[in-house]
Amino acid sequence: RKEVEQDPGPFNVPEGATVAFNCTYSNSASQSFFWYRQDCRKEPKLLMPVYSSGNEDGRFTAQLNRASQYISLLIRDSKLSDSATYLCVVNIDNDMRFGAGTRLTVKP
Amino acid sequence: SQTIHQWPATLVQPVGSPLSLECTVEGTSNPNLYWYRQAAGRGLQLLFYSVGIGQISSEVPQNLSASRPQDRQFILSSKKLLLSDSGFYLCAWSVPGVTPLHFGNGTRLTVT
Repeated sequence: RKEVEQDPGPFNVPEGATVAFNCTYSNSASQSFFWYRQDCRKEPKLLMPVYSSGNEDGRFTAQLNRASQYISLLIRDSKLSDSATYLCVVNIDNDMRFGAGTRLTVKP
Repeated sequence: SQTIHQWPATLVQPVGSPLSLECTVEGTSNPNLYWYRQAAGRGLQLLFYSVGIGQISSEVPQNLSASRPQDRQFILSSKKLLLSDSGFYLCAWSVPGVTPLHFGNGTRLTVT
């Protein structure tokens, strides 16, 4: 079983749609969690951390469920500029593990 | 503010040639440092990480090695490149603890 697994995608949605990504992790001792965004042929960039209480940044909401060992990312009112690959990251003792990524394409 | 420099941006090397990629971080002390590789259309594979000078953890057995000769310098090397070493190599740093990674711009390596 992979340490971090993500929805395979791709997700193709119209502008204005709401889209959700999930990511599961295998190690219950994982300590911190993040969502990154990666544009084509670019380095990943931090989108937002994920907290147990849930956190929101504008149209983006991240959730962590430690009991079920999954994290989620919700994007509301999708924009064309949201098109990218979204990566979840799980950290345990400074060992940062990435999911394979979910590709999102927002279409006009 | 902290910055990370990674070079070169692109590299084309023949099979069997050596490799040296360098990464330096400025504006922070004792960072955790990481090397990742991303094959075309694939996810990020952790290659090495370091929590201090001379301390290297290797994640995947292969013909690559890493060194950390100074606190903010991380080097990825190979004595003989294979075709399968082609990919997008990314250096990253973080503050020790539960903080996120910050990536360099990456090196796109093509082994021919």
